[in-house]
Amino acid sequence: AQSVTQPDIHITVSEGASLELRCNYSYGATPYLFWYVQSPGQGLQLLLKYFSGDTLVQGIKGFEAEFKRSQSSFNLRKPSVHWSDAAEYFCAVGAPSGGYNKLIFGAGTRLAVHP
Amino acid sequence: ETGVTQTPRHLVMGMTNKKSLKCEQHLGHNAMYWYKQSAKKPLELMFVYSLEERVENNSVPSRFSPECPNSSHLFLHLHTLQPEDSALYLCASSLSGGLAGGIEQFFGPGTRLTVL
Repeated sequence: AQSVTQPDIHITVSEGASLELRCNYSYGATPYLFWYVQSPGQGLQLLLKYFSGDTLVQGIKGFEAEFKRSQSSFNLRKPSVHWSDAAEYFCAVGAPSGGYNKLIFGAGTRLAVHP
Repeated sequence: ETGVTQTPRHLVMGMTNKKSLKCEQHLGHNAMYWYKQSAKKPLELMFVYSLEERVENNSVPSRFSPECPNSSHLFLHLHTLQPEDSALYLCASSLSGGLAGGIEQFFGPGTRLTVL
């Protein structure tokens, strides 16, 4: 069965520090992978996606993620975190299901940023 | 309006009330989704409509009743809810069919529901 694991429930970093959020997936075929961000009281906003090709993908707000098939991972990175990056981050894998395409989400990682 | 909109943004209702949540997408999509997001739980997919037909109903209690009158609008009708139904209800839309083109979902801001 398809699944997504985000091992870190909470992460705290200092403003200006680098960030890496971990994501591991279980999926039998070539995965379609996503990172979404959710600010408090808001919906989910797509940060970046991987469908195929270059395994390092760039997204909005200075984020990037690297797909590593051998490790079944799709970790999200940012070289220098801003206070406005404090939010919850969700990794997801896309999978066909009946007549539509399903997104399977991880439980999320809540990021706090210290000034 | 652009993207996916949801109304109301906040709703407080008693257990005997009947209310409806509304979602509208302005993206030309033809698949729409309802998710439930509770504290400390992963997102739960509730319903999926593709080309205005319900294609997924994830064992959701009958007190939740979805309606999709056209590809731009999605409703969630609520009646005799329980306090544990309090959550953020998110609507999303996408293209239907074809993995690469249809799999990315765009989310609305959600309706924060409190059941007293």
